[in-house]
Amino acid sequence: EVQLLESGGGLVQPGGSLKLSCAASGFTFRSYAMSWVRQAPGTGLEWVSSMRGSNSSSWYADSVKGRFTISRDNSKNTLYLLMNSLRVEDTAIYYCARTGDFDLWGQGTLVTVSS
Amino acid sequence: DVVLTQSPLSLAVTLGQPASISCRASQSLVHSDGSTYLNWFQQRPGQSPRRLIYKVSNRDSGVPDRFSGSGAGTDFTLKISRVEAEDVGVYYCMQATHWRTFGQGTKVEIK
Repeated sequence: EVQLLESGGGLVQPGGSLKLSCAASGFTFRSYAMSWVRQAPGTGLEWVSSMRGSNSSSWYADSVKGRFTISRDNSKNTLYLLMNSLRVEDTAIYYCARTGDFDLWGQGTLVTVSS
Repeated sequence: DVVLTQSPLSLAVTLGQPASISCRASQSLVHSDGSTYLNWFQQRPGQSPRRLIYKVSNRDSGVPDRFSGSGAGTDFTLKISRVEAEDVGVYYCMQATHWRTFGQGTKVEIK
């Protein structure tokens, strides 16, 4: 079955760090660009970051540039998002999505930034 | 940044009746490669988003044919020909021509 499974969310204090993971299965992971999209409570969707299948290029929304780092391990079929200097406004469900057109989504993992 | 403006933001529809959602972009979504990267997503209550339509009018696999997308340039529309109970949720347009931005979402309910 083709699926994405996120993990690593939780409660963290402002200024703290967290690393999210997204395990992919059912497709040739290394052939696809992958993305992170987030959704703050009760609000809409916001693209966060994307990375090419070959690890060669990555892109970030201005709101997270310099604080978040996307990476992937194609040998483990896993996408990551390292989040540093977290702010209250980063509180959201973080979804992993396939390609830059988001044709497949995971179930999401909740990140709460609060003191 | 490209801004996508959806209307209406909320829609109450009688079962079996049509529904239409507009998505207007602040600039043309025609890419330099000639394609228009405008997608539509459905998010049912308590679920992850699901892509319905890509590149304006192409339905994803498994999407019922009562869903259709149309438009060009800066004006786009998602139509549901006959609303069913399972169509309740929030619908988002998204452009992938100039980075990535989403519309605010349109909530569809049953009247």
